[in-house]
Amino acid sequence: QVQLVDSGGGLVKPGGSLRLSCAASGFIFSDFYMNWIRQAPGKAPEWISFIDSGGSTTYYADSVRGRFTISRDNAKKSIYLQMNSLRAEDTAVYYCARGEYNWKVWGQGTLVTVSS
Amino acid sequence: IVMTQSPVTLSVSPGERATLSCRASQSIRSNLAWYQQKSGQAPRLLIYLASTRVADISARFSGSGSGTDFTLTINSLQSEDSAVYYCQQYNNWPRTFGQGTKVEIK
Repeated sequence: QVQLVDSGGGLVKPGGSLRLSCAASGFIFSDFYMNWIRQAPGKAPEWISFIDSGGSTTYYADSVRGRFTISRDNAKKSIYLQMNSLRAEDTAVYYCARGEYNWKVWGQGTLVTVSS
Repeated sequence: IVMTQSPVTLSVSPGERATLSCRASQSIRSNLAWYQQKSGQAPRLLIYLASTRVADISARFSGSGSGTDFTLTINSLQSEDSAVYYCQQYNNWPRTFGQGTKVEIK
């Protein structure tokens, strides 16, 4: 079945780095645009990054631009989010989601906690 | 684009109708989706293009509106509908969500 599995979250100190992964299965991964969306505790979801099917076009939210980098490996059916210079306000559950406009397929989420 | 939802919380008796509103700060045509989120789960897509229901979603859920004002209606409310509902625009980048409406069952 169509599935996305998020991983890589954890506890990191302010200023630190973390790399998240999202592994896809059950569909032709290279046909689809992908996104990272995060949700801080008790808050609404926040879209943070997009990558097109070939990996040549990326977009970022202002809140993460210059600190986070999205990438993909179609051979491994995976996308990644390299997060640098992490701040307390980056604490959230991070989800990958499939699609350009709205998102029917989501990962289960991985928790990132930024704290000293 | 700022998305504003109202009310923040809605308390409805089983079998009654719930009406949720979402307003965009500028026209987004019909490029609006609605999601349901239960505690500890990822959001679930219910409606896209403002009024098109996702295939496996109950017909009790319906969406309407265009431009800046949108409505999600849940008919014959059931206990399983207790959740937070978010609207999301995809007319422009960045994609943005409303702050959510929590639907409680009386």
